[in-house]
Formats: sequence, structure tokens, C-alpha cells
Amino acid sequence: EAGVAQSPRYKIIEKRQSVAFWCNPISGHATLYWYQQILGQGPKLLIQFQNNGVVDDSQLPKDRFSAERLKGVDSTLKIQPAKLEDSAVYLCASSLGGGGSVYEQFFGPGTRLTVL
Amino acid sequence: ELKVEQNPLFLSMQEGKNYTIYCNYSTTSDRLYWYRQDPGKSLESLFVLLSNGAVKQEGRLMASLDTKARLSTLHITAAVHDLSATYFCAVSEYSDQLTFGKGTKLSVIP
Repeated sequence: EAGVAQSPRYKIIEKRQSVAFWCNPISGHATLYWYQQILGQGPKLLIQFQNNGVVDDSQLPKDRFSAERLKGVDSTLKIQPAKLEDSAVYLCASSLGGGGSVYEQFFGPGTRLTVL
Repeated sequence: ELKVEQNPLFLSMQEGKNYTIYCNYSTTSDRLYWYRQDPGKSLESLFVLLSNGAVKQEGRLMASLDTKARLSTLHITAAVHDLSATYFCAVSEYSDQLTFGKGTKLSVIP
């Protein structure tokens, strides 16, 4: 079974530029998550999708971050414009379901973003 | 706000020794997860603990959960170099959203 795929793996941009990350979850997984992991810290949830609807985006900085999950499969996370403090690893994870059910999350390899 | 605290944050241990990593959390959740992360890699699921008193073991690692004390432990037995990594605990308060601790960076030295 293929795992969670993410691209690109690395990205270096200058502040105020835009960047987009792509995630393809495990086939059949209804729930998709984007996490931000700053160096030396644990992952922090940015947004959670259930199929193509947003379950929770309360920790997403909506003035510069946006995410979508068209057709309930792939997802993109965009930052526009980027700030220095956005330098982090962006992890995508997926699980079979949600809404109180216990489903294990599987993580992708992440995209390491460096903002100069 | 749910808080998850791990200690120690850094651990250097000799091969063959035993040690325990602690994970305290501030909610009444009974769902706790342990992940391993190697440098530059993603998170690998180690254990899922779903009830008070749950104990799971895999190789030299054993995890337990005490929901009354809001405490989980990850015990390392006879450490080997391959166990060097960062270990995260994560708690699910409701739905399936995870709140992670800061991680414990483990270095096993000869």
C-alpha cells in the first residue's frame, strides 16, 4: 500500500514570495491533515479536512495560508506571502475517518520550507 | 487548551541501559499515541494506547497509559544505537485531532 505522498520535498524562497505544497493521501483515507513542524518542536495542526470539507482550520493563519482539497483526494497548502517564521517542515497526514472515531494517522515525508 | 509535556527533552544514554520517557497531559483523554522521528524523516507510529492501563510492547520499547494520572510512559530496555531518534507523544482530546509534545531527543551512545 502506497503511503502519503508530498511534493516538493524541499523549497527555498525569499520572504514575501508565494509557495504551494501538494499532498496525496493514502487511497481511501477520508481525513487529511496539514501540520507545521518548527525545528525542535512537535507538529502543530494547521487544518483538517473530512473528504473535501474543512473540519477545523482554527490554527491556520488565514491572512497568508490557504488550503483546499478538491474532489476529496489531493490537497494543496499555499502560503502567500511567506514570512521568515514560516520556515518549517510541513507534514501531511491522512486517516480513514474522524468524528470521534479512533483512526491512526499516517504521515508523509514532509516538505522542508526555508524562507530567506 | 490541551497541553502535552514530555520529559526529558534530551536524553543521552549508554547502550544496554534502561530508561523511561514521560508524557503528561492536561485533559481527560484516553487516547494517546507515540511516534518516532529520525532526522530529516517523517513520523512513524509506534503505539496507540486507547484505555486506562493499556500496555503495549514492541521490541525494546514498552508504552503504558494511566488516564487517571494523565500520564504515559515509554520505557526503553537495554538500549541500542538504532533507537536513537526523537520520540513524540500525542494526545487526542476529541475527534481525532492530535496535540503533540515537544519531543524527546534520544541519543544512545556506546
